[in-house]
Amino acid sequence: EVVLTQSPATLSLSPGERATLSCGASQSVSSSYLAWYQEKPGLAPRLLIYDASSRATGIPDRFSGSGSGTDFTLTITRLEPEDFAVYYCQQYGSSPRTFGQGTKLEIK
Amino acid sequence: EVQLVESGGGLVQPGGSLRLSCAASGFTLSTYWMSWVRQAPGKGLEWVANIKEDGSEKYYVDSVKGRFTISRDNAKNSLYLQMNSLRAEDTAVYYCARGSHYHLWWGQGTLVTVSS
Repeated sequence: EVVLTQSPATLSLSPGERATLSCGASQSVSSSYLAWYQEKPGLAPRLLIYDASSRATGIPDRFSGSGSGTDFTLTITRLEPEDFAVYYCQQYGSSPRTFGQGTKLEIK
Repeated sequence: EVQLVESGGGLVQPGGSLRLSCAASGFTLSTYWMSWVRQAPGKGLEWVANIKEDGSEKYYVDSVKGRFTISRDNAKNSLYLQMNSLRAEDTAVYYCARGSHYHLWWGQGTLVTVSS
């Protein structure tokens, strides 16, 4: 199975700053089939990015995804207060589908 | 509006069984793969199983193979997860989600607690 490793585990930043979250895969992710989700306490995950770089409907353009092969990045420019949450990457290029362990984005 | 509503969670003893249901509305269930994803308390997300539109293909994470069965009834707009031989490590919030790739639509989740 494809193991996804997210870094850092915790990222402490201030509103207005830029966040860069990484997701590394143990083997190449087929067709860049990688998604990013945002999760807040008590709520279901929210899809942000799919196919590595396509924004989901309604997602602000301060969120962007990039990467291919084994290295992927989620970038959030100009952090808003509501962006502080846990972020997960997920690959769907092979079975079993797998998620990273998450990056907690916290307010500094 | 797309809605997914899970039910059937609760407290069950180790070795017991539980059947989760997911009621779908706002879209034609028979045209989508469907998935179950779980999240143990304080932990990350884990894909559990998915099922093809007509139920002809089903896939599972290794840790539940032989114990869990995913199924669907398109006429009833419902997805199911039959969970047998439950273990403490199956304790989690279980989400149903539309699709087999990325998931735009998720239910609110139902909590399954396996404990004596």
